[in-house]
Amino acid sequence: GAVVSQHPSRVICKSGTSVKIECRSLDFQATTMFWYRQFPKKSLMLMATSNEGSKATYEQGVEKDKFLINHASLTLSTLTVTSAHPEDSSFYICSAPAQAGELFFGEGSRLTVL
Amino acid sequence: KQEVTQIPAALSVPEGENLVLNCSFTDSAIYNLQWFRQDPGKGLTSLLLIQSSQREQTSGRLNASLDKSSGRSTLYIAASQPGDSATYLCASNCGTTSGGSYIPTFGRGTSLIVHP
Repeated sequence: GAVVSQHPSRVICKSGTSVKIECRSLDFQATTMFWYRQFPKKSLMLMATSNEGSKATYEQGVEKDKFLINHASLTLSTLTVTSAHPEDSSFYICSAPAQAGELFFGEGSRLTVL
Repeated sequence: KQEVTQIPAALSVPEGENLVLNCSFTDSAIYNLQWFRQDPGKGLTSLLLIQSSQREQTSGRLNASLDKSSGRSTLYIAASQPGDSATYLCASNCGTTSGGSYIPTFGRGTSLIVHP
């Protein structure tokens, strides 16, 4: 299957700093990527849909200025958590649809804000 | 709005049993349905994708079926092994984004433990 790579897998930062997470489709082009947040033992919560060449579409309740999404190319989308607070600590996962609409996921990024 | 429900939420079985995991969805106008596996602290691994025109897909010991009219999909795991222990999620794809990609809706998953 297709490969989606996410980096970093783990990051620890201080409150008030910004953290950038990258999501790359390695062997296919993705005009759309999805960003999710997952709390312990909970299902995925869609945060936003990243669109190459246009603004991201955010789900209701997700702060656009807090979670900046940039779809820089057909193989790269980034999520920047700005002015991070401890409540932003979570597991963030990206995905991209490949051929026939099959979704492929990155490995996830564990963010811990101290 | 599409809603996806997975039953049971958790399952614990001895090794060797055949299992059925259930997924139901409210909007039958789906483009495809996909089953995933998630290990703790990891991303999701795609297991099977069933297009709306298909009835089932098979991969090794896994078989997934789709009945659009009743809004149901099942994942059958044959001869379960301890390595099958994970959370299994289904996702239905309905509608499209502005870029033409499907929008997935996930169930909450079934947490499976297969003990030796």
